[in-house]
Amino acid sequence: QSALTQPASVSGSPGQSITISCTGTSSDVGAYNYVSWYQQHPGKVPKLIIYDVSDRPSGVSNRFSGSKSGNTASLTISGLQAEDEADYYCSSHTSSSTLVFGTGTKVTVL
Amino acid sequence: EVQLVESGGGLVQPGGSLRLSCAASGFTFSSSDMHWVRQGAGEGLEWVAAIGRGGDTYYPGSVEGRFTISRENAKNSLYLQMNNLRAGDTAVYYCARETPDTTTAGWYFDLWGRGTLVTVSS
Repeated sequence: QSALTQPASVSGSPGQSITISCTGTSSDVGAYNYVSWYQQHPGKVPKLIIYDVSDRPSGVSNRFSGSKSGNTASLTISGLQAEDEADYYCSSHTSSSTLVFGTGTKVTVL
Repeated sequence: EVQLVESGGGLVQPGGSLRLSCAASGFTFSSSDMHWVRQGAGEGLEWVAAIGRGGDTYYPGSVEGRFTISRENAKNSLYLQMNNLRAGDTAVYYCARETPDTTTAGWYFDLWGRGTLVTVSS
C-alpha cells in the first residue's frame, strides 16, 4: 500500500486561504468516505482536525474544511493564521482493511 | 487524566526483537480500539497495527508476519512485539486510541501517547 500523495509544501499569507490535496486510488480515498486530516506542530503529537472527509471534531476551528472528489481529498484552511504553520497529514481507510497516511505537507505562513 | 504512555523503545541490532508497551489511563481501555503509528525522524506518519475491542488484528504489508499487536485489558495495556527488525523500522512509535465516536466506522485517532524511540542499528 503506497502512501497517499500530498504536496511537500504549501504557503500563504495571513488571512489568505490555502488548499492541500491528498491523492490516492480507487482502493482507498475513492472507495470510502473515511478520510481524515491531522495537524502536527514541531515536537508535538498529531491532532485530528477533520474526519469522515468533512466533519470537524469538537473544538476544531471552522477555518478548517475538507472535501473529496473521486480519488482526491482536499483540506482548505481559510483565514490563514500564524498558528496554522505546521505539518498536515491525510489518511484513508483502504479496501484491504488497513489505513494509509499521506506523505505530509508543510504549511508555511509567510 | 486521560493519557497513553509508551515504553520499551531502545537500540536493537538488525534482526533483533523488541516489545513496546502502552499504558492507558483515564478512560475505559477495554471499550477502545487501539493502534500503533510510527514516524521516522523528519518523516511522515505510518500506520503499523490495529487491535479491536474483540481482539481482531490488522497490519500493513510492511510489518505483517514480523510485528504482533496485543492487549491486556485487565492491565489497561497495549503491546507491540517486533521481530526481525530492520533499519527501516527506526522511528518513534506512538500508541493511539481510535475515537469512540460511534457515528463513524473510520479509523481516527483522538488520543496519542508521546511516543517511544526505536533505533535499529549495528
